[in-house]
Amino acid sequence: AQRVTQPEKLLSVFKGAPVELKCNYSYSGSPELFWYVQYSRQRLQLLLRHISRESIKGFTADLNKGETSFHLKKPFAQEEDSAMYYCALSGGYGGSQGNLIFGKGTKLSVKP
Amino acid sequence: DGGITQSPKYLFRKEGQNVTLSCEQNLNHDAMYWYRQDPGQGLRLIYYSQIVNDFQKGDIAEGYSVSREKKESFPLTVTSAQKNPTAFYLCASREDRNNSPLHFGNGTRLTVT
Repeated sequence: AQRVTQPEKLLSVFKGAPVELKCNYSYSGSPELFWYVQYSRQRLQLLLRHISRESIKGFTADLNKGETSFHLKKPFAQEEDSAMYYCALSGGYGGSQGNLIFGKGTKLSVKP
Repeated sequence: DGGITQSPKYLFRKEGQNVTLSCEQNLNHDAMYWYRQDPGQGLRLIYYSQIVNDFQKGDIAEGYSVSREKKESFPLTVTSAQKNPTAFYLCASREDRNNSPLHFGNGTRLTVT
């Protein structure tokens, strides 16, 4: 069964500190992994996806198939990074495999 | 301005009444989705539709119904059979291709008393 696990409900760091939001998944095929972010009073939006291998707002995430992980990292956290972060998995597009399965989310709080 | 519009932003209903949440998109996306967002639960899929006049149940469809008569519209009805309807409801859409991300609306907060 497809499953996404985000072990931390809340992660609190100081400005300038490194941050890592953990995401582990369970999927038998080749997954597509995404990170979504929800800032206060804004809609949920895509932050990045593993297929793009890009850095967005200083965040990166590497898909580790051996460890079935897709952790989100940023070397120096900023106060504006404070938000709710969701990891999501898809088995591709088409049928129920295309639906995104979301983790329960991690609330990141960056203190000044 | 292209995007997904959910209305209303806040909705209040008495227990026992059905209520319909609106979702409209002008992104020309084929697939549309309804999620429910509860604190500590993440997003859970209620219903989805990949094409007009067709829709499928998600993980928590009981007590909900949908229709997809137009490509642009995917309304969700929360029926009186839904045991715990108070929640934040998110509508999303997606392009018809692999790796396409979901685009979300601003959500509707439903409170049933």
